[in-house]
Amino acid sequence: SQQGEEDPQALSIQEGENATMNCSYKTSINNLQWYRQNSGRGLVHLILIRSNEREKHSGRLRVTLDTSKKSSSLLITASRAADTASYFCATGSPSGGGADGLTFGKGTHLIIQP
Amino acid sequence: GAVVSQHPSRVICKSGTSVKIECRSLDFQATTMFWYRQFPKKSLMLMATSNEGSKATYEQGVEKDKFLINHASLTLSTLTVTSAHPEDSSFYICSATPIPGLAGGVGQFFGPGTRLTVL
Repeated sequence: SQQGEEDPQALSIQEGENATMNCSYKTSINNLQWYRQNSGRGLVHLILIRSNEREKHSGRLRVTLDTSKKSSSLLITASRAADTASYFCATGSPSGGGADGLTFGKGTHLIIQP
Repeated sequence: GAVVSQHPSRVICKSGTSVKIECRSLDFQATTMFWYRQFPKKSLMLMATSNEGSKATYEQGVEKDKFLINHASLTLSTLTVTSAHPEDSSFYICSATPIPGLAGGVGQFFGPGTRLTVL
């Protein structure tokens, strides 16, 4: 089954505005991670939130996790042109202990307009 | 921080040839590495889990004879695309977890990817 589906698939906002991306998943998870990918490049790990956490912050990033709704959101505040990239959520299975391959969502392509 | 490299970064080959892609963890040991495939404007799909000293575990639908994986050491895994065809053209990305079973750690570290184009 598809795990980690983001919405919106594409988002275009003005520099300085906040960007919110959502992710839904279908099975139980150990943690949920958000990654960023610039066009044609590898992935950069942004933040990991454990299943027993509800909210986590890292710089301009804020991630929430609602395990009852099987959803997560990534908020980027005060967006910058350099934030233009694709953002993916990813989940691993509870039994993996962190050593599982990840299941990625389809991603949100974020465009920050100067 | 933990760095994962891939070589080559891009390769163009003729149909029918085999291509080897290397994935190295530069400053940490990884008993487990993962190989993903990404089509243009699409998400990453896990292909296989590479375990040092043992056979790789392939995801459903991934041909093990087509995509040969060898995890020869704690810092190196290789993916060989055998008898490549144009439909194998894709972006291949590897990742590694520094310590196995590190639940709630810092996630996986990804290589920069290898773009394969089969003519």
